[in-house]
Amino acid sequence: QKEVEQNSGPLSVPEGAIASLNCTYSDRGSQSFFWYRQYSGKSPELIMFIYSNGDKEDGRFTAQLNKASQYVSLLIRDSQPSDSATYLCAVNPNQGGKLIFGQGTELSVKP
Amino acid sequence: EAQVTQNPRYLITVTGKKLTVTCSQNMNHEYMSWYRQDPGLGLRQIYYSMNVEVTDKGDVPEGYKVSRKEKRNFPLILESPSPNQTSLYFCASSPTGTNTEAFFGQGTRLTVV
Repeated sequence: QKEVEQNSGPLSVPEGAIASLNCTYSDRGSQSFFWYRQYSGKSPELIMFIYSNGDKEDGRFTAQLNKASQYVSLLIRDSQPSDSATYLCAVNPNQGGKLIFGQGTELSVKP
Repeated sequence: EAQVTQNPRYLITVTGKKLTVTCSQNMNHEYMSWYRQDPGLGLRQIYYSMNVEVTDKGDVPEGYKVSRKEKRNFPLILESPSPNQTSLYFCASSPTGTNTEAFFGQGTRLTVV
């Protein structure tokens, strides 16, 4: 089992819809969780991080964490074509410097 | 401008010829890290450094070396590159550890023939 798993996609949603991106992780002791966005040919950029169970909202983005189910998700409301990118989930297992990424989910928002 | 700068951006080299990819940040960040990105495998951490003179292995450290003699620089050294090290490499930095915003460099595309 991979340590951090994401569906590779592509996930296709119409403009204005909610895009839901999911990530599961295997280390139950993991502490911190991150979502990055990577446009084709570009560097990853951090969208959000979350430490506690529940929801964290930032503009059109909401991260959701359920440690009991070892599941973290990212919701993008009112999706725009400019949101089309690969979304990377990353997990910090122990508060140290290690960071483990999933393979990424490609999102396509159709006008 | 706050940035992480990697050099070179593109490199083609031959098996066994030592090379160094430089990484420099101008934000006085304590934490720096190197990743490689391969199709279908995502980003994998090679080495990271929590502060000057402190480095630790990530998930795929074999075949790589790093050093952190000063806060701003974190070079990645391939002593004897092999074709399986052909990849896209990213350097990243953040103020303290991984619980804060990470800034990524532009990437270095390395081909080992």
